[in-house]
Amino acid sequence: SQTIHQWPATLVQPVGSPLSLECTVEGTSNPNLYWYRQAAGRGLQLLFYSVGIGQISSEVPQNLSASRPQDRQFILSSKKLLLSDSGFYLCAWSAHHSTVGGTFGSGTRLTVV
Amino acid sequence: RKEVEQDPGPFNVPEGATVAFNCTYSNSASQSFFWYRQDCRKEPKLLMSVYSSGNEDGRFTAQLNRASQYISLLIRDSKLSDSATYLCVVNDAGGTSYGKLTFGQGTILTVHP
Repeated sequence: SQTIHQWPATLVQPVGSPLSLECTVEGTSNPNLYWYRQAAGRGLQLLFYSVGIGQISSEVPQNLSASRPQDRQFILSSKKLLLSDSGFYLCAWSAHHSTVGGTFGSGTRLTVV
Repeated sequence: RKEVEQDPGPFNVPEGATVAFNCTYSNSASQSFFWYRQDCRKEPKLLMSVYSSGNEDGRFTAQLNRASQYISLLIRDSKLSDSATYLCVVNDAGGTSYGKLTFGQGTILTVHP
């Protein structure tokens, strides 16, 4: 069966510090991968979408970047965090042309102080 | 126009009530549809898929109207445990999008005693 792992669960970082969040998927190959952010009390905002290694679509201009160095690994990064980067970051995967939806990781709650 | 739009809510209903959520989508090429549930401070989880003929899962009924590009979720006999945010999700399974999942902003439901 397929599983998705996301870590860490909680992170407190100072303004201006770098960020690296990692997400890995097991039990499937060539998945679609997503990074979402959810601000407190708000809906999901799609940040990045990837259909394959090295193929990243940025959905909104921002202080963040994403990379997919391996088929089942998706990394969210920032060189210098802003206070506004605080939020709940969720990684998700779905199969190409899936008709069964997608699955989320358990999320990382980031607080920038 | 947003790709997926939902009733913003919040909906506050007593136990035992029937409540309905609506969702519209803008891409007529969308091929798969889902409802997700998100509990407070947790990741969204798949509640049910939505089929063209409509489908039911216990107290939950989902319907799709492709002509109007409209999806609905009906919850009968609401329970306290139904309190959550309900997310409408559309999957563009065809073309070059590789089945990208697009989420609505969610509708908050609170069921009270």
